[in-house]
Amino acid sequence: KQEVTQIPAALSVPEGENLVLNCSFTDSAIYNLQWFRQDPGKGLTSLLLIQSSQREQTSGRLNASLDKSSGRSTLYIAASQPGDSATYLCAVIVSQAGTALIFGKGTTLSVSS
Amino acid sequence: DAGVIQSPRHEVTEMGQEVTLRCKLISGHNSLFWYRQTMMRGLELLIYFNNNVPIDDSGMPEDRFSAKMPNASFSTLKIQPSEPRDSAVYFCASSLAGGVRTSGRTDTQYFGPGTRLTVL
Repeated sequence: KQEVTQIPAALSVPEGENLVLNCSFTDSAIYNLQWFRQDPGKGLTSLLLIQSSQREQTSGRLNASLDKSSGRSTLYIAASQPGDSATYLCAVIVSQAGTALIFGKGTTLSVSS
Repeated sequence: DAGVIQSPRHEVTEMGQEVTLRCKLISGHNSLFWYRQTMMRGLELLIYFNNNVPIDDSGMPEDRFSAKMPNASFSTLKIQPSEPRDSAVYFCASSLAGGVRTSGRTDTQYFGPGTRLTVL
């Protein structure tokens, strides 16, 4: 059974710092991996999607990497800003036939000004 | 595009009552997912549909939960009778393709704002 783990559960950094959020999954047979952002009381916003054949995706100050063989993904946030404060969730799809996302429990990020 | 629309945004009910949550997909999307989020268990898939057909309902907790897609753009999740342990945030998500090989962002799931359900 696929399990997704995110460490740390919470992270506090000062504004301007570069940071890395970690995600690990137990079964390397994934179809793709997505990173989401969730603001308090709100839904999820998709940040980046990495197909299983890709190693990384970039969007603005965000860079996500994927290492299927080791079952790991990282989300790199450059020059963090207070507006980046949110919970970041990692999720995988385990096969082409099934498209349900299996989520980690998230990392809650707080960026102080 | 209005995005995925869910109603109501908040629902407070008493144990034993029937609860109906509603979701409108993004126009043109053909896959619909219902998720539940709790502090203890995080986000979990309940059921998903592709082209109005339920594909996987293994996440539905028990017979008290049922979901339907009466048409291609609308879905309901019903709990009858509701129990306090059903209290959670229920999210609906849609995507352009489900279970089909795609590229780029086509598989991205777009989430609604959620319905916060409290069962007293």
